[in-house]
Amino acid sequence: QVQLQESGPGLVKPSETLSLTCAVSGYSITSGYYWAWIRQPPGMGLEWIGSIYRGGSTHYTPSLKSRVTILVDTSKNHLSLRLSSVTATDTAMYYCARQAVAGTKAFDIWGQGTMVIVSS
Amino acid sequence: DIQMTQSPSSLSASVGDRVTITCRASQSISTYLNWYRQKPGKAPELLIYAASSLQRAVPSRFSGSGSGTDFTLSISSLQPDDFATYYCQQSYSTPSWTFGQGTNVEIK
Repeated sequence: QVQLQESGPGLVKPSETLSLTCAVSGYSITSGYYWAWIRQPPGMGLEWIGSIYRGGSTHYTPSLKSRVTILVDTSKNHLSLRLSSVTATDTAMYYCARQAVAGTKAFDIWGQGTMVIVSS
Repeated sequence: DIQMTQSPSSLSASVGDRVTITCRASQSISTYLNWYRQKPGKAPELLIYAASSLQRAVPSRFSGSGSGTDFTLSISSLQPDDFATYYCQQSYSTPSWTFGQGTNVEIK
């Protein structure tokens, strides 16, 4: 059974870097899927942040591209998210998800999410 | 960017009702359309992919249809578990995957 578990600090100061980890169990992160980060501000909708494939090629949403880095650690079978220069608008629930490579590239398995608040 | 617009933004319904939610794309996306359900306080879960294919283990009361710019998600008989927010997501514009704003299904 594939499971994803996000972790990281729940509180980040403005202008600092947000760093999150997603531990993947039951599936090798180097196998044939994208691995994605998606966020959801309180009371709002879903925003795709970015995806990484087999620890190599990455895709980021244009509005965050200059501040986002997604990496894979194959030895730990986890992916990470770094978002620099955060502001209050980055306050959100952050989800990691597995994303199909073929077809409609649906996000088929999600972690439970981790809440990040940006505040001094 | 391809914009996804859902309607209605919210609706009230009773257990056993048939419910239909619409998603419209700002340009043709063929059948590159997925639907998700998000229960309160939980992560989203995939219901339908490729506009009309039911994801494994998803109840058959859910169905999807459409192509091009207009899509629908239908729930044939609303269950207590279905009071949630539903999102459509386009995957035609790769790699820029976008979601609709959501439709909240509330208890009448």
